[in-house]
Amino acid sequence: DVKVTQSSRYLVKRTGEKVFLECVQDMDHENMFWYRQDPGLGLRLIYFSYDVKMKEKGDIPEGYSVSREKKERFSLILESASTNQTSMYLCASSFTGRYYEQYFGPGTRLTVT
Amino acid sequence: SQKIEQNSEALNIQEGKTATLTCNYTNYSPAYLQWYRQDPGRGPVFLLLIRENEKEKRKERLKVTFDTTLKQSLFHITASQPADSATYLCALGDSGYALNFGKGTSLLVTP
Repeated sequence: DVKVTQSSRYLVKRTGEKVFLECVQDMDHENMFWYRQDPGLGLRLIYFSYDVKMKEKGDIPEGYSVSREKKERFSLILESASTNQTSMYLCASSFTGRYYEQYFGPGTRLTVT
Repeated sequence: SQKIEQNSEALNIQEGKTATLTCNYTNYSPAYLQWYRQDPGRGPVFLLLIRENEKEKRKERLKVTFDTTLKQSLFHITASQPADSATYLCALGDSGYALNFGKGTSLLVTP
């Protein structure tokens, strides 16, 4: 079974803190994704990576950065957390190519106070 | 800009009936469409994929149709059960990388 794990299920941080969210997948997938999910707004893509050290901006990259130093690991960084970044963060991975599904992690509910 | 629309109102149906969820899109020519199920507080789980040249796909009690002329996909769950209660997301793709997700429709199946 494909497994995508995220470092925390729940996280509470203060405004201005630097926040790291980590994601690890065990299926040798080339692609990894970070989304945030908010009520009424659905899933929105923040960044994705199609290879080690490669990244592409998604729909809402502002205020976020990412790092992919190893194929299995994709980190989302909030350089200076703000209250409007309070959200559910979901990591996903997939093979490259059409017709491949995405496998999601359990999510991290981040609260910034 | 690309737009994906799913019914924002929850769908309530009785156990045993067929649930039909709709996904409409505009300004987009996807190569494929996927449906996911999401339970509260959890990540989405893939259910079915249908390609642009396919009209219909089935998997057990699930059926998906894809009409590229109408720009619409229908997702059916036959003989629905309370355990089918969840939010269902459609997602469109073309490049083999990122997907564009709809906001999802909540389904509630009552005994």
